[in-house]
Amino acid sequence: GENVGLHLPTLSVQEGDNSIINCAYSNSASDYFIWYKQESGKGPQFIIDIRSNMDKRQGQRVTVLLNKTVKHLSLQIAATQPGDSAVYFCAEKSTGGFKTIFGAGTRLFVKA
Amino acid sequence: ETGVTQSPTHLIKTRGQQVTLRCSSQSGHNTVSWYQQALGQGPQFIFQYYREEENGRGNFPPRFSGLQFPNYSSELNVNALELDDSALYLCASSPTATTNEKLFFGSGTQLSVL
Repeated sequence: GENVGLHLPTLSVQEGDNSIINCAYSNSASDYFIWYKQESGKGPQFIIDIRSNMDKRQGQRVTVLLNKTVKHLSLQIAATQPGDSAVYFCAEKSTGGFKTIFGAGTRLFVKA
Repeated sequence: ETGVTQSPTHLIKTRGQQVTLRCSSQSGHNTVSWYQQALGQGPQFIFQYYREEENGRGNFPPRFSGLQFPNYSSELNVNALELDDSALYLCASSPTATTNEKLFFGSGTQLSVL
């Protein structure tokens, strides 16, 4: 990706455990952050987003944390299921900008 | 499933040829973005169309061009194909280009250049 990177390219977890996927970004002007999930043969699908005026947002089984001080984003998946196996991308955008910038992705494997 | 559809799903071309990829955006969306995704990498922004005008462009040469139609559907054209153009081409629509919104992606067109 351009300005968004990930700490780990692959993550393997046991079914039922919690997963944490991390992401670093470098553009201080970014104020909107999104996590996408991409399954084989499909386009990326929206999971959850967060704006820069927040540091935590929760969805169904997923939580996104934003640390603007160190420019770090994480996705937490609770009680990981086999259907969660996919590649996860963090992405960033800035107000007034026209493009969403994607990181390289983390592949999540869920072991039964 | 999003309401974004892309055609064709797969395409094989030879070096030097030209290709046109098509995208129908989700109902109510006036903005379409195109991305190139090489194997094992994240999507790379090609360009965005908003109300039939190019609204922004990534680091792609001029042989990558596009169109957006009055119904907000879009085309991506690539001339003089090169081997490195082999990739998954993704179309994404969003409600508008003027605010921060999530993208709704189609399933992509897998282009192979031989």
